Amino acid sequence: QVRLVESGGAVVQPGRSLRLSCAASGFTFSNYIMHWVRQAPGKGLEWVALIWYDGSKEYYADSVRGRFTISRDNSKNTLFLHITSLRVEDTAIYYCAKRTGTTNPSLDYWGQGTLVTVSS
Amino acid sequence: DIQMTQSPSSLSASVGDRVTITCRASQRLSSYLNWYQQKPGNAPKLLIYSTSTLQRGVPSRFSGSGSGAQFTLTISSLQPEDFATYYCQQSYTTPWTFGQGTRVEIK
Repeated sequence: QVRLVESGGAVVQPGRSLRLSCAASGFTFSNYIMHWVRQAPGKGLEWVALIWYDGSKEYYADSVRGRFTISRDNSKNTLFLHITSLRVEDTAIYYCAKRTGTTNPSLDYWGQGTLVTVSS
Repeated sequence: DIQMTQSPSSLSASVGDRVTITCRASQRLSSYLNWYQQKPGNAPKLLIYSTSTLQRGVPSRFSGSGSGAQFTLTISSLQPEDFATYYCQQSYTTPWTFGQGTRVEIK
């Protein structure tokens, strides 16, 4: 069965960097576009970024462009999110999610999330 | 960016009630509108994709409709396990965007 497991969340100071990971299993990872979505405490969902099957294309939300970098290692079935210059407003649960196939774009599987807390 | 607005932001309903949640986009989406359910402490779960197609395993009391820029999620007979927050999301163009959510509470 499809499984997505995020890790790397931590309590960090503003301005520091962090790398989140998402280990995928149960499907052919290299065949799917992958996404990150975040949720600040008590708030709604915010789409963050996506990466193409082979890593050749990336798209970002305006709120994170230039500070966040999404990447993947298809040989290790792992998705990453590298976050730099962390801000208090980046505090959130970060979910990785698998996109459906080429038609009907949606996010059909989600990990359990990893919590990033930015605080001095 | 496409703005997604859900209404209401919250509602109280009883078991057995018919519930309707509306999602309005700032531009036309074709059919690229999805609905997710999220329960406290859990990740979101895909309910409906492409406006009206139920994800595998989702009960038939859930339905989606709409076109253009206005869409609706309907729960025909609310069950205890349906009390949750619901989000619409457009996948018409990047950046993908979510509505602010509709919290469905027990009356």
